[in-house]
Amino acid sequence: KQEVTQIPAALSVPEGENLVLNCSFTDSAIYNLQWFRQDPGKGLTSLLLIQSSQREQTSGRLNASLDKSSGRSTLYIAASQPGDSATYLCAVLNNAGNMLTFGGGTRLMVKP
Amino acid sequence: DAGITQSPRHKVTETGTPVTLRCHQTENHRYMYWYRQDPGHGLRLIHYSYGVKDTDKGEVSDGYSVSRSKTEDFLLTLESATSSQTSVYFCAISPNPTTNTEAFFGQGTRLTVV
Repeated sequence: KQEVTQIPAALSVPEGENLVLNCSFTDSAIYNLQWFRQDPGKGLTSLLLIQSSQREQTSGRLNASLDKSSGRSTLYIAASQPGDSATYLCAVLNNAGNMLTFGGGTRLMVKP
Repeated sequence: DAGITQSPRHKVTETGTPVTLRCHQTENHRYMYWYRQDPGHGLRLIHYSYGVKDTDKGEVSDGYSVSRSKTEDFLLTLESATSSQTSVYFCAISPNPTTNTEAFFGQGTRLTVV
C-alpha cells in the first residue's frame, strides 16, 4: 500500500524567505506526482504536476522536483509572501491511474 | 476554475438516516472521484468512476455507495449515516489520469452526523 509522508507538518517563516517542503512516498511505481494548495475551508488547487519521467517542474516562484527512485519530491517556494500561507499537499498517482494517494500536508504560515 | 459543483455545501443529519451528496461537472471529464478529509488521516479515496455506470471502490468504501447515470453527475450515498462519517467530502474530476493532466477538486461538503 502506498504511503505518502510530508515533513514538516507545519512551518512558520518570515516574509521573503526561500523554503522547501518535503514529500516522500513508499512505492516508486507512480505515474505522476502533484502538488496542491488548500486554503482554510476551501477545496484543493493544483500547483504543479510532475510526470514520472520528469525531474522537475516550475511555475512562477514554485519549483517542484522528483526523485522517483528514492521516493522523494520537494516543493521549493522562492521569496515567500503572506499570500502563500496555506496547506500544501502532495499526492502520487499509481501506475494504474486510478488512485491518487495524498500526504498529510504541510501547513505554511508566512509572517509579514 | 474547472466547472465542478458540490451540493449541499453543509449538512447536518441524524445517525441512521440516508444521505446523498452530489457532484456536478461541466467539463465532460471521464473520471470522477469522492474523497473524505479528516484530521490525522488526510484525504482518502472513497469511490471513483471511470465512465457512466462504471465505478470502483477506493480505500475507505465501507458504508458508502455511488452512482453515475450521466457523465456530469456523480452521487455519493451514505446508506445509514454514522458519527464516524462526519467529515469533509471532496469531489474531484480528471479527463483521464494517465494523460498527465491535473485533477480538479470541488469546494467540499461539510457533513456532520449527530
